[in-house]
Amino acid sequence: AQKVTQTQTSISVMEKTTVTMDCVYETQDSSYFLFWYKQTASGEIVFLIRQDSYKKENATVGHYSLNFQKPKSSIGLIITATQIEDSAVYFCAMRENNYAQGLTFGLGTRVSVFP
Amino acid sequence: EAAVTQSPRNKVTVTGGNVTLSCRQTNSHNYMYWYRQDTGHGLRLIHYSYGAGNLQIGDVPDGYKATRTTQEDFFLLLELASPSQTSLYFCASSAGQKNTGQLYFGEGSKLTVL
Repeated sequence: AQKVTQTQTSISVMEKTTVTMDCVYETQDSSYFLFWYKQTASGEIVFLIRQDSYKKENATVGHYSLNFQKPKSSIGLIITATQIEDSAVYFCAMRENNYAQGLTFGLGTRVSVFP
Repeated sequence: EAAVTQSPRNKVTVTGGNVTLSCRQTNSHNYMYWYRQDTGHGLRLIHYSYGAGNLQIGDVPDGYKATRTTQEDFFLLLELASPSQTSLYFCASSAGQKNTGQLYFGEGSKLTVL
């Protein structure tokens, strides 16, 4: 069963606006970590932001922020003041207690930012 | 800045061919991973390793072997390549629990099996 689900296949937004992407996950672990990665047009995969499950505060890095709703097993990514360079595929990922097994990824959401 | 380097970046082979994808990390990370990326399937874990000489099976290991010769080097081997193995392959490293399991990715290796 898929553990990390991103239901939005693609989103188009105008430059300088805000885009929100959804992600829901499944886990039996009481402690886990949630990540968002960005894959650029060149194929490069870059880490953006992380949420630790035991933290109540939503993580924020630059113009990226998270909407962590633990009771709903949801971790949304919010990008404010979008730029053309934000056009990319965004992946949600989860790390459970067995950190050695790496991350489980969602299928990604393609964001297109238009001028 | 974490550094993971893959080679070759592009490879074309024929069905039944022998392919080795190489990955080197200079992060002093213990954990290394091979993922494949396909449209509709996202990133799927093939093999991973805790350290030199260690190998663990991931979620889609069939048709692949791997070997971790040193802490820095992790290889993915396709001994009888098939068209279904045409994909974009990513290597990644992690310090494991020390950095909450965050992965650092290489640039990717595009493999085409004709």
